[in-house]
Amino acid sequence: SQQGEEDPQALSIQEGENATMNCSYKTSINNLQWYRQNSGRGLVHLILIRSNEREKHSGRLRVTLDTSKKSSSLLITASRAADTASYFCAMDTGGGNKLTFGTGTQLKVEL
Amino acid sequence: GAVVSQHPSRVICKSGTSVKIECRSLDFQATTMFWYRQFPKQSLMLMATSNEGSKATYEQGVEKDKFLINHASLTLSTLTVTSAHPEDSSFYICSAPAGDRGRHEQYFGPGTRLTVT
Repeated sequence: SQQGEEDPQALSIQEGENATMNCSYKTSINNLQWYRQNSGRGLVHLILIRSNEREKHSGRLRVTLDTSKKSSSLLITASRAADTASYFCAMDTGGGNKLTFGTGTQLKVEL
Repeated sequence: GAVVSQHPSRVICKSGTSVKIECRSLDFQATTMFWYRQFPKQSLMLMATSNEGSKATYEQGVEKDKFLINHASLTLSTLTVTSAHPEDSSFYICSAPAGDRGRHEQYFGPGTRLTVT
């Protein structure tokens, strides 16, 4: 399978703490994207990092990319209960906008 | 921001019947759309790429005669699950790339929950 692997599968933290999710993939990429999915809903794009970038920030989100290790991480700082959702990495390998998704991390932020 | 809609959001059908799911891009044109299925607590698996004006491209292992895709216009793609069986019960999600606007992210529909009894 070309699917990316994410860890942890599930993460439970307290509000205010940081949450880190990791993604590893197998093939060369043009870019790597992170999406969020609330239970039973569609996905929402969070952030995109290109293969020639190493780090990117957007609000409370910080994404890193290490193409030599074929891995990426998503850090959510100062988490809130509303951040509770599943988070997926998605690899764009350049095949006509097709994305290959990771296995996902279920994040639960408790009050 | 761009919005992709899906209809219906939820459908229950009897085994052997066919179900059509619509995916629309509401404020932008999409020459390509993607169809995914997702089982509970699992990731999205790409089923096929819907191409406006040409045949859909199916991923390995996806039966094209069972999952009929028609990209009727620049804003509408439909997925028809033919002769549905209980194992087809799943969450079906479509997406449209923002590539038409020079960006690489995708806009996802809210999904359709299909239950086959």
